[in-house]
Amino acid sequence: AQKITQTQPGMFVQEKEAVTLDCTYDTSDQSYGLFWYKQPSSGEMIFLIYQGSYDEQNATEGRYSLNFQKARKSANLVISASQLGDSAMYFCAMREGIQGAQKLVFGQGTRLTINP
Amino acid sequence: GAVVSQHPSWVICKSGTSVKIECRSLDFQATTMFWYRQFPKQSLMLMATSNEGSKATYEQGVEKDKFLINHASLTLSTLTVTSAHPEDSSFYICSATKGTGRAGELFFGEGSRLTVL
Repeated sequence: AQKITQTQPGMFVQEKEAVTLDCTYDTSDQSYGLFWYKQPSSGEMIFLIYQGSYDEQNATEGRYSLNFQKARKSANLVISASQLGDSAMYFCAMREGIQGAQKLVFGQGTRLTINP
Repeated sequence: GAVVSQHPSWVICKSGTSVKIECRSLDFQATTMFWYRQFPKQSLMLMATSNEGSKATYEQGVEKDKFLINHASLTLSTLTVTSAHPEDSSFYICSATKGTGRAGELFFGEGSRLTVL
């Protein structure tokens, strides 16, 4: 069964607009971590934001925020004031368990294109 | 700067040859490293967990004899694609963790693009 689901293969957004990338997850663990990564065409994985299952507040990192809806098992990424440089693939990932070595399961990814 | 480095960043080889990819943690010791494979326009799929001083743990469906992993030191893990074939052409990425904490302690390498002719 798919543990991480990203239902938007591609998104097109006008520069300076906000964009929400969807991510739902499936786990029976009480302790888990949720990550978002950006992958530009160069291939490197750039860490954006992290949310632990026990974190009561939504994580924020600059223009990135994570809309964590635990009951719905969703962890959507919100990018405010999008920029042309935000065009890339975006992956949602989950680590089951808070402690321990960090093996991640990735979603299918969403290709975000920012139009000028 | 990068804290996990992969080498080579890209490699082209002939079918039937073996290719070694290195993953180094530059300023920390990593008892565990992970190897992922990414086909074009697809997601990252975990291949194996590399443990320093012991055998790697492979994910279901990954051939152990095809993808040899050696974690000989706390800063180096190698992935050797043996008898490579065109279907092994892919982007291989490693990751390493400084510890057992949160996201800030997990780092990815730059990736290695393998093309088998």
